[in-house]
Amino acid sequence: EVQLVESGGGLVQPGRSLKLSCLASGFTFSNYGMNWIRQAPGKGLEWVASISSSSSYIYYADTVKGRFTISRDNAKNTLYLQMTSLRSEDTALYYCARRTSMDAWGQGASVTVSS
Amino acid sequence: EIVLTQSPTTMAASPGEKVTLNCLASSSVSYMNWYQQKSGASPKLWIYGTSNLASGVPNRFSGSGSGTSYSLTISSMEAEDVATYYCLQLSSYPWTFGGGTKLELK
Repeated sequence: EVQLVESGGGLVQPGRSLKLSCLASGFTFSNYGMNWIRQAPGKGLEWVASISSSSSYIYYADTVKGRFTISRDNAKNTLYLQMTSLRSEDTALYYCARRTSMDAWGQGASVTVSS
Repeated sequence: EIVLTQSPTTMAASPGEKVTLNCLASSSVSYMNWYQQKSGASPKLWIYGTSNLASGVPNRFSGSGSGTSYSLTISSMEAEDVATYYCLQLSSYPWTFGGGTKLELK
């Protein structure tokens, strides 16, 4: 069974940093591109970043470019999202999702940016 | 950036009623994906490549469209279809979602 489990969320002050993790199981992680998508409270979905299977290709939404870094460790079956210079508008539930089609999603990690 | 506009924003349908959800792109896209999100749950891939049903999706659902206009149709509404549906374009970066259509039961 494909499983994606996000962790690392929490309450953080504006301007600080936070790193999310997404542990994958049930499939060969190193064969798939991965994505981060977020959903602000009561709002719709927003694509955040994507990374190819070998980390050769990385893309970001303009709203996070220069502040967020997506990465992966295929030996640990883990996807990461390093978030810096956090703003109140980054408050959201952050999902990881598998491959371009986003055919599997985790349960989400909640990030709240507030003083 | 390609903007996706979904309509209606909210709608209510009676059991057995035919339902059509629309997604209009600001520029032509190659295909469209659709996701279903029930309240309090993670999104699920529902339709991919415009018209292909994801695993486990009932065949009362269908997808169609091309260019800038896409739609998701439910041939006969059921209570379990209550959810918010999002379209997603993957033709060019940044990938963009539509604002969603909330489907309720009348």
